[in-house]
Amino acid sequence: AQKVTQAQTEISVVEKEDVTLDCVYETRDTTYYLFWYKQPPSGELVFLIRRNSFDEQNEISGRYSWNFQKSTSSFNFTITASQVVDSAVYFCALSEALSGNTPLVFGKGTRLSVIA
Amino acid sequence: DTGVSQNPRHKITKRGQNVTFRCDPISEHNRLYWYRQTLGQGPEFLTYFQNEAQLEKSRLLSDRFSAERPKGSFSTLEIQRTEQGDSAMYLCASSLGRELVGYTFGSGTRLTVV
Repeated sequence: AQKVTQAQTEISVVEKEDVTLDCVYETRDTTYYLFWYKQPPSGELVFLIRRNSFDEQNEISGRYSWNFQKSTSSFNFTITASQVVDSAVYFCALSEALSGNTPLVFGKGTRLSVIA
Repeated sequence: DTGVSQNPRHKITKRGQNVTFRCDPISEHNRLYWYRQTLGQGPEFLTYFQNEAQLEKSRLLSDRFSAERPKGSFSTLEIQRTEQGDSAMYLCASSLGRELVGYTFGSGTRLTVV
């Protein structure tokens, strides 16, 4: 069965600090997709990244970076030089898409508060 | 392309009433999904369509829930005889193909059952 664990319920950092949000997943499939979404106070889920299980290269997009480690079933997300606008709930999600089971399975989310 | 659109944004209803929500996906997306999110939790899958065919339903989708996507474009989610436990944010998402390209969520409809 698929499962996504985000062990950190809440994190609080001071502006300009770096912060890493952890995501550990479980799946029986060898082919799957991993996602990160941001949910600001407005409530909309904002897509951040989609990663295919065959692509283990780390990715950087501006202040955001993602570390995908298949050996430890982790897909961690780092925000460098955090800003107040980064305050939100962040969700990691998994889909065993190519097996035909497309719905995303979400973790419970990590609430990030960035303090000025 | 204006993204995934959901209406209404908020709905307050009395217990026992029926409610219907609408979702307009991104136009070229063939897959449409419904999720439910309660306070402090991640979204939970309810059902999904590929074009007009409803391909999967979660066990969370009781007999009081029904979803349609009649022409493979917009979708509706109806809840009959609402209960207080149905109070949640109902999210719609759409994507393209098996590779889940552009998996985008709408702003959601927040349902409050009083």
